[in-house]
Amino acid sequence: QVQFVQSGPEVKKPGASVTVSCKASGYAFTDHTIHWVRQAPGQRLEWMGSINTGYGNTQYSETFHGRLTITWDTSATTAYMELSSLRSEDTAVFYCARFHWSDSNFDYWGQGTLVTVSS
Amino acid sequence: QPVLTQPPSVSGAPGQRVTISCSGSSSNIGSGYEVHWYQQLPGTAPRPLIYGNNKRPSGVPDRFSGSKSGTSASLTITGLQAEDEADYYCQSFDSSLSPPYVFGSGTKVTVL
Repeated sequence: QVQFVQSGPEVKKPGASVTVSCKASGYAFTDHTIHWVRQAPGQRLEWMGSINTGYGNTQYSETFHGRLTITWDTSATTAYMELSSLRSEDTAVFYCARFHWSDSNFDYWGQGTLVTVSS
Repeated sequence: QPVLTQPPSVSGAPGQRVTISCSGSSSNIGSGYEVHWYQQLPGTAPRPLIYGNNKRPSGVPDRFSGSKSGTSASLTITGLQAEDEADYYCQSFDSSLSPPYVFGSGTKVTVL
């Protein structure tokens, strides 16, 4: 069965960077893009960016102004999300999700990773 | 500001029908893009509830249904149950944005 397992919670100081991993299993890793979604406490879902795991091309939301980098490792069937220059407003749960190209929706999600930014 | 607007909250008694709207514009829902819905139970990840405007993934009860008309879409829960208390989000695409992925503002459903 399709499954995404994300790395554990992180606590970072303002100005630091954080990397969250998302390990996929149960399907052909290069067949679907992987996306990242942020959810601040009590707030809505916010699309961050994506990576085509077949070709490596990425898309990013302008909201993150160059602070976001998404990478992947096909052999490890894992995608990574790095957010730099962290500030307190980045405190959130970060989700990875698979985008199903034919249904055009996010059909499987990781369990989420809480990143807390605090001095 | 989210480009897809939902009511912040709706509520109903068990067994009642509730409808959540997702209001968009000519650059997203009105352009023919499909609308998808996700349910987020407290403390958990979102899960797909409706895709392609009105299709249910396997395992989703048939009391959940979706529709789309013009620049809006709706999610209806017929026969509300206590376990339906959650946040619900619509999602679509917007041709005025690059990349085009957009989520709605979210709706909290409370079972009275």
